[in-house]
Amino acid sequence: EAQVTQNPRYLITVTGKKLTVTCSQNMNHEYMSWYRQDPGLGLRQIYYSMNVEVTDKGDVPEGYKVSRKEKRNFPLILESPSPNQTSLYFCASSPGYGRNTIYFGEGSWLTVV
Amino acid sequence: DAKTTQPNSMESNEEEPVHLPCNHSTISGTDYIHWYRQLPSQGPEYVIHGLTSNVNNRMASLAIAEDRKSSTLILHRATLRDAAVYYCILRGSNTNAGKSTFGDGTTLTVKP
Repeated sequence: EAQVTQNPRYLITVTGKKLTVTCSQNMNHEYMSWYRQDPGLGLRQIYYSMNVEVTDKGDVPEGYKVSRKEKRNFPLILESPSPNQTSLYFCASSPGYGRNTIYFGEGSWLTVV
Repeated sequence: DAKTTQPNSMESNEEEPVHLPCNHSTISGTDYIHWYRQLPSQGPEYVIHGLTSNVNNRMASLAIAEDRKSSTLILHRATLRDAAVYYCILRGSNTNAGKSTFGDGTTLTVKP
């Protein structure tokens, strides 16, 4: 089944403790992206990647890192999480851009205390 | 980047048509117009997309203004399962290709 898989789905962590949210897609998509969604708001793009070893900032990249060493994986790294990074995170992938559909993962609920 | 503007909320009665508007006055010639919807506690899912011509699929229709500065998502017969947040976004095809800006979307309420 074609899918975007995120882990963990739910996490409570403490301020300053590094964490990684993994994202994997099995559709051989070139494009991958991370979004965060805060209560009652839309999705804001954190980082995106057009292909392996190619990443770029979205609208809200501060406090996050990403890497794209393999086509299928695009982990989101929070080096020193803070409470304002408590949010719902979505990973997404797409065959490309323009007319290509974006496929989203199920989301990862992250709470930083 | 090109941004979109949508009403915060709309209401519809079940089995009636729904027209969800989107303004994108700064759209560029190579931007595709996409619509996604997000059900509670789920990731957004694709609904429809288009470039210049009106489009139909099994879920909805997309009407694009001649100047492409606005579009309308049409649900022909709303059901309770259509209650969701609907997002209109632009996906570029060249130098602005990577960014996908989602606004706050339109929350559609469907009344039985």
